[in-house]
Amino acid sequence: AQTIHQWPVAEIKAVGSPLSLGCTIKGKSSPNLYWYWQATGGTLQQLFYSITVGQVESVVQLNLSASRPKDDQFILSTEKLLLSHSGFYLCAWRDWGGAGQLYFGEGSKLTVL
Amino acid sequence: QQQVRQSPQSLTVWEGGTTVLTCSYEDSTFNYFPWYQQFPGEGPALLISILSVSDKKEDGRFTTFFNKREKKLSLHIIDSQPGDSATYFCAAGYNQGKLIFGQGTKLSIKP
Repeated sequence: AQTIHQWPVAEIKAVGSPLSLGCTIKGKSSPNLYWYWQATGGTLQQLFYSITVGQVESVVQLNLSASRPKDDQFILSTEKLLLSHSGFYLCAWRDWGGAGQLYFGEGSKLTVL
Repeated sequence: QQQVRQSPQSLTVWEGGTTVLTCSYEDSTFNYFPWYQQFPGEGPALLISILSVSDKKEDGRFTTFFNKREKKLSLHIIDSQPGDSATYFCAAGYNQGKLIFGQGTKLSIKP
């Protein structure tokens, strides 16, 4: 069975500080990976997707960047946090071999002060 | 901009009752419609999904209905339980492409 793990679970950071959030998926080779952002009480907004190592496509510009250094790893980062970056960040993978189901990780809660 | 509209924003149902959540979408070419359940502090979990070739799919107490002509879908929860209290998101898109999520419905089941 596939498992998706995100780290850290939660972060409290200062405005202007750097950020790195990570995601690892096990049990699935060459997965399509996604980063989503969710404001408190809000909808799910896709930020980035990656279909292979080294390739990342941006969907929404939020002064964030993403990288895919390994087949099973997806990283979200920024050098300078804004207050508007606060929220819940979700990594997900898509099962193209099935009916196209999208599966989310447990999420990382970010509070920017 | 393509949108997926979800209603109501919040809903309270008595235990044992039937919950009905609805969504509408704009793009008639969409063919894949999943529903997600999210508990506070957790990632959304896929609850049930339907492809546009079907008009109904059932999984235990959860049933999703799809109306292609009206571009609407709904989620029915029968015998609603306090453990069903969560936020529910519908989505619309392609099973091999993009997905757009609704704004969510916060459901509370009262014992």
